[in-house]
Amino acid sequence: AQSVTQLGSHVSVSEGALVLLRCNYSSSVPPYLFWYVQYPNQGLQLLLKYTSAATLVKGINGFEAEFKKSETSFHLTKPSAHMSDAAEYFCAVSQPGNKLVFGAGTILRVKS
Amino acid sequence: GAVVSQHPSWVICKSGTSVKIECRSLDFQATTMFWYRQFPKQSLMLMATSNEGSKATYEQGVEKDKFLINHASLTLSTLTVTSAHPEDSSFYICSPRGGGEETQYFGPGTRLLVL
Repeated sequence: AQSVTQLGSHVSVSEGALVLLRCNYSSSVPPYLFWYVQYPNQGLQLLLKYTSAATLVKGINGFEAEFKKSETSFHLTKPSAHMSDAAEYFCAVSQPGNKLVFGAGTILRVKS
Repeated sequence: GAVVSQHPSWVICKSGTSVKIECRSLDFQATTMFWYRQFPKQSLMLMATSNEGSKATYEQGVEKDKFLINHASLTLSTLTVTSAHPEDSSFYICSPRGGGEETQYFGPGTRLLVL
């Protein structure tokens, strides 16, 4: 069975600082991995996805994530945080054709 | 990304009434539709999965007679909460996926409050 662990339910960074949101997964077969962002009272927006191509994936809004098989990780990063990045972020794993399994989410707070 | 709409965005109803939530995929054909609910400060919980023209498959613990799902076309799916009770108050989100695709897109969600 697949599962996702997001380390840190809350992360706080200063504006302009590096953003690092951690995600580890377990999967018996090569996974597809996703990061979604959710703003208050809204649905989820896809940030980026890994589907077995390049291990470094670039997404929208300056975010990127690197798939590391040896570490079973797919951490999300952004070099410089912006106030508008404050939201909740979800990591998810799926296998082709299967449903998504979500992590518990990480709330990102950006301090001015 | 794909454009997904949900209607209504907010609904308040009395206990015992039924509420229908519509989900439309506006620019692609949703072969599969996932319905989620999300409680405050929690992650998304999958309720059911439906393929166009077929009956929905419900997750364990989700009452199929209470949460009626219709997926009659490739662009529209509905979730009806029947005889709603206060414990059904939640944020409901649809998530369509196209055939052969690995990416799920999400609707903006519907906030349901049952009084």
